Amino acid sequence: GENVEQHPSTLSVQEGDSAVIKCTYSDSASNYFPWYKQELGKRPQLIIDIRSNVGEKKDQRIAVTLNKTAKHFSLHITETQPEDSAVYFCAASSPTNAGKSTFGDGTTLTVKP
Amino acid sequence: DAGVIQSPRHEVTEMGQEVTLRCKPISGHNSLFWYRQTMMRGLELLIYFNNNVPIDDSGMPEDRFSAKMPNASFSTLKIQPSEPRDSAVYFCASSFSGTVNTEAFFGQGTRLTVV
Repeated sequence: GENVEQHPSTLSVQEGDSAVIKCTYSDSASNYFPWYKQELGKRPQLIIDIRSNVGEKKDQRIAVTLNKTAKHFSLHITETQPEDSAVYFCAASSPTNAGKSTFGDGTTLTVKP
Repeated sequence: DAGVIQSPRHEVTEMGQEVTLRCKPISGHNSLFWYRQTMMRGLELLIYFNNNVPIDDSGMPEDRFSAKMPNASFSTLKIQPSEPRDSAVYFCASSFSGTVNTEAFFGQGTRLTVV
């Protein structure tokens, strides 16, 4: 089955700096890669996703890149703000798995003012 | 749509009691997932359904856990008997799956405390 590894497990940055979270996956059939943000005491919510037919996607301060050959994808947050502090999960999904996404273990991002 | 609806939001029960968690997925979604989240083990997939049929229950920790999806708009996760180590936040999520998968929408979760 699919295996998703996520690094780092914790990340601390100064406000205004950039943050990068990296994930690798094992199943070459995976073609959908969502990223979720979970604030303390709340549910995980999608912040950005990318499909295997594109290499990069941007939405304001966040961007995701995908390298299908190397089977890795990354989340980039620029100009970080204290409200970006949360746990971020990457995930990989294959059309053969009935919609199931395999999640990474999460990265706790702390943005220091 | 109101999103994925879970009930109850909080449950405190005594060890040995039966606990039933409920979930209403988003209308039109055909996949439903039950997750458990703790500090120690992170986000664990317990079981998921596609078109109301259980696809993979390998994440269910023990026979004390069971899940059902009698129709497209309702699912339950039952723990009988409950134990203190079952204390966690349980999330239900739903999505649409087909040739193109979509994001999972999570409910607000049920915080279960077993004393």
